[in-house]
Amino acid sequence: QKEVEQNSGPLSVPEGAIASLNCTYSDRGSQSFFWYRQYSGKSPELIMFIYSNGDKEDGRFTAQLNKASQYVSLLIRDSQPSDSATYLCAATTGGFKTIFGAGTRLFVKA
Amino acid sequence: DTAVSQTPKYLVTQMGNDKSIKCEQNLGHDTMYWYKQDSKKFLKIMFSYNNKELIINETVPNRFSPKSPDKAHLNLHINSLELGDSAVYFCASSQFRGSGASYEQYFGPGTRLTVT
Repeated sequence: QKEVEQNSGPLSVPEGAIASLNCTYSDRGSQSFFWYRQYSGKSPELIMFIYSNGDKEDGRFTAQLNKASQYVSLLIRDSQPSDSATYLCAATTGGFKTIFGAGTRLFVKA
Repeated sequence: DTAVSQTPKYLVTQMGNDKSIKCEQNLGHDTMYWYKQDSKKFLKIMFSYNNKELIINETVPNRFSPKSPDKAHLNLHINSLELGDSAVYFCASSQFRGSGASYEQYFGPGTRLTVT
C-alpha cells in the first residue's frame, strides 16, 4: 500500500516564527511532490511543488525534498495567523495517481 | 473565470436515492479527478480520466459511476445512496506531463453531500 504520512498535529507556532511541516512517502518511484493548503470548508490550493532533491523557495515558503530518505518538508517563515490551515502533502506515483497525506493542522498564534 | 467548477455545492438527500454531481474545467487540462474527503479530512482519490479515458478506478463501490463526455467535463453519478457516502466530493484537474510525473492539480470548490 503506497502511503504518504504526516503528523496530524495540531502544530502551534507564534506569529513570526518558522513553521516546519514534515512528510514521508513509501513509494520510491514517486517523482512529483506537492504541498497544498486547505482552509476549513474550502478546497485544497497549491502552495509549492518540487521534483528535484534539495530546496525550492517561493516567498515565505521553502519546500525540501530528500529522495534517499523519502522525506519532504515545508518551511513557512514569518508565520502569520492567516497561515493557519491544514497542510496536505502529496506524492504522484505511477504517473496519474496522486496520494495525499492526512494533513497537518497548523495554528499560528497572534 | 472560474477554473474548476462543481454543481451543486450542497446536496442533501435520503438513503436510496440517486444523485449526480457535475464538474467542468476551463484550464485546457487533459486529466480530471474525483476525490472523496471524509469527516477526518482525508482526501482519497476515486477516479481519474485522461483525455476522456478512465485511467484510475480505485476500490469504490460500483454504485459510483463517473462519466466524461469531453476533456472539460467529468460527472459523478451515485446510485442507491448510503449514509456512509456522506462526505465532501472534490473534482480536480491537471495536465499530465509524462515520465511518471504530473503537474499540480487544481480543485473545484467541493460538493458537500449529506445522506439522511
